[in-house]
Amino acid sequence: DIQMTQSPSSLSASVGDRVTITCQASQDIDNYLNWFQQKRGKAPELLIYDASNLETGVPSRFSGSGSGTDFTFTISSLQPEDITTYYCQQYDSLPYTFGQGTKLEIK
Amino acid sequence: EVQLVESGGGLVQPGRSLTLSCAASGFTFGDYAMHWVRQVPGKGLEWLSGISWNSDDLDYADSVKGRFTISRDNARNSVYLQMNSLRAEDTAFYHCAKGVSGGIAARPGDSWGQGTLVTVSS
Repeated sequence: DIQMTQSPSSLSASVGDRVTITCQASQDIDNYLNWFQQKRGKAPELLIYDASNLETGVPSRFSGSGSGTDFTFTISSLQPEDITTYYCQQYDSLPYTFGQGTKLEIK
Repeated sequence: EVQLVESGGGLVQPGRSLTLSCAASGFTFGDYAMHWVRQVPGKGLEWLSGISWNSDDLDYADSVKGRFTISRDNARNSVYLQMNSLRAEDTAFYHCAKGVSGGIAARPGDSWGQGTLVTVSS
């Protein structure tokens, strides 16, 4: 199985900050990577697919980059509604594995 | 609007069985692969199983292989997860998720249901 190492596991930031989360795959996954946002008690919501494509309706402050084994998710200017948990997921090969998650907190 | 609504969760004793359902609407269900993902409360996400549009292609995580069975009924716009020999570590929220095309190798997870809670305890 492909292991996805996501970091950091938690992050404190202020509104307006630029926030970066990384995800590293244990083997080459090309660009087959999703980024999800999950608010407490809610289903995950797809933000980015194919490593860098913004899902329809998602604000442009969210972005993704990378290919192969190293990926980055960025929020260009953190908003209060962004304070929640984020996950990466590879879909290069089954089983489709997730990173451990990153919980954003207000500094 | 795509809607996925899971049902069938509840409290079940270890070793017993439970079948979850996911009712879909807002899209042509029979054209898309479907997946099940679970989440232990307060913990991360775990992909469990996927089924292609015509049920020809199935796959499972090792943690549930041989105990869980995925199936679908395109006439009823529903996907199911039959769970046998349940263990305490199967306690989690169970979500269904839609693929972006008919094969399970296609990108998963563009829409999710809210989940149904399964608690395995004596």
